[in-house]
Amino acid sequence: KQEVTQIPAALSVPEGENLVLNCSFTDSAIYNLQWFRQDPGKGLTSLLLIQSSQREQTSGRLNASLDKSSGRSTLYIAASQPGDSATYLCAVRPGADGLTFGKGTHLIIQP
Amino acid sequence: DAGVIQSPRHEVTEMGQEVTLRCKPISGHNSLFWYRQTMMRGLELLIYFNNNVPIDDSGMPEDRFSAKMPNASFSTLKIQPSEPRDSAVYFCASSLVGKQYGYTFGSGTRLTVV
Repeated sequence: KQEVTQIPAALSVPEGENLVLNCSFTDSAIYNLQWFRQDPGKGLTSLLLIQSSQREQTSGRLNASLDKSSGRSTLYIAASQPGDSATYLCAVRPGADGLTFGKGTHLIIQP
Repeated sequence: DAGVIQSPRHEVTEMGQEVTLRCKPISGHNSLFWYRQTMMRGLELLIYFNNNVPIDDSGMPEDRFSAKMPNASFSTLKIQPSEPRDSAVYFCASSLVGKQYGYTFGSGTRLTVV
């Protein structure tokens, strides 16, 4: 059974810092990996989708990498801002089934 | 596109009552997923449909839960009878069938059973 782990569970950093969120998964047989952002009391907003054949994807200040063979992905946030404060969720698609999610990293950017 | 639309946004009901959650997927998407989110267990897949057909309902916790997708633009998740431990946020997501596609989530329904 696929398991997804996110480290750290919580992170608090001053504004302006670059930071890395980590995601690991136990079964490397995935189709793709998706990073989401969830604000308190809100739904999930897709940030980046990486196909299994890709190594990374970029959107603005966000960069996500994927190393399928080692079962790891990282989300890099450059020049963090208070508006980046949210919970970040990593999810893998093992096949035709639905996504398997990690528990998330709760991120606080201090002004 | 308006995205995935869920209703109601909030639902408070008494134990034993029937609860129906609704979802309208993105037009053209042919896969639909129901998830439940709790603090303890995170996001769990309950059931998913491809082309309106239920494919895997192994995540449905009990027989009290049922889901239908009568057409490509509408799905329901029903809990009957509801119990306090069903309190959670229920999300609907849709996607195109195919391994290269990502998922789009609705805003969720926060269910409280008292």
